[in-house]
Amino acid sequence: GENVEQHPSTLSVQEGDSAVIKCTYSDSASNYFPWYKQELGKRPQLIIDIRSNVGEKKDQRIAVTLNKTAKHFSLHITETQPEDSAVYFCAASRDDYKLSFGAGTTVTVRA
Amino acid sequence: DAGVIQSPRHEVTEMGQEVTLRCKPISGHNSLFWYRQTMMRGLELLIYFNNNVPIDDSGMPEDRFSAKMPNASFSTLKIQPSEPRDSAVYFCASSLDGDEQFFGPGTRLTVL
Repeated sequence: GENVEQHPSTLSVQEGDSAVIKCTYSDSASNYFPWYKQELGKRPQLIIDIRSNVGEKKDQRIAVTLNKTAKHFSLHITETQPEDSAVYFCAASRDDYKLSFGAGTTVTVRA
Repeated sequence: DAGVIQSPRHEVTEMGQEVTLRCKPISGHNSLFWYRQTMMRGLELLIYFNNNVPIDDSGMPEDRFSAKMPNASFSTLKIQPSEPRDSAVYFCASSLDGDEQFFGPGTRLTVL
């Protein structure tokens, strides 16, 4: 089955700086890569996703890049703000909708 | 739209008791997922249904766990008998045709 590895496990950044989280996956047939944000005590919520037919996608301060050859994808958050503090999960799936999640990255934005 | 609804939100029970978690997916969604979240194991997919049919239950930890989806608007996850190691947050999520999965608020289960 799919194995998704996520790094780093924790990330502390100064407000206004950028944050980058990286994930690798094992199944070359995976074609859908969502990123979820989970605030403390809340449910995971989708913040951005990318499919294998594109290499990059951007939504305001958030961007995701995908390298299918190397089987890795990354989340970039620019101009970080205190409300960006949360746990971020990457995931990968093939066409059968089954998501395999990374272990999560706890992001802390220092004011 | 009320989103995915789960009940109860919190459940405390004693080892050996039966536990039933409930989920109402978003109306119109045809896929439903049950996840378990713990500090040690992260987010694990237990089982998912498509058009009320179980497609993949390979994540169900053992025979003590069972899930049903009798109709498009309701699903249950049952643990019988429960054990302390089952303590976790259980999330239900739904989606339409493999698109974005919307998570419910979760059920925090504590087995004493």
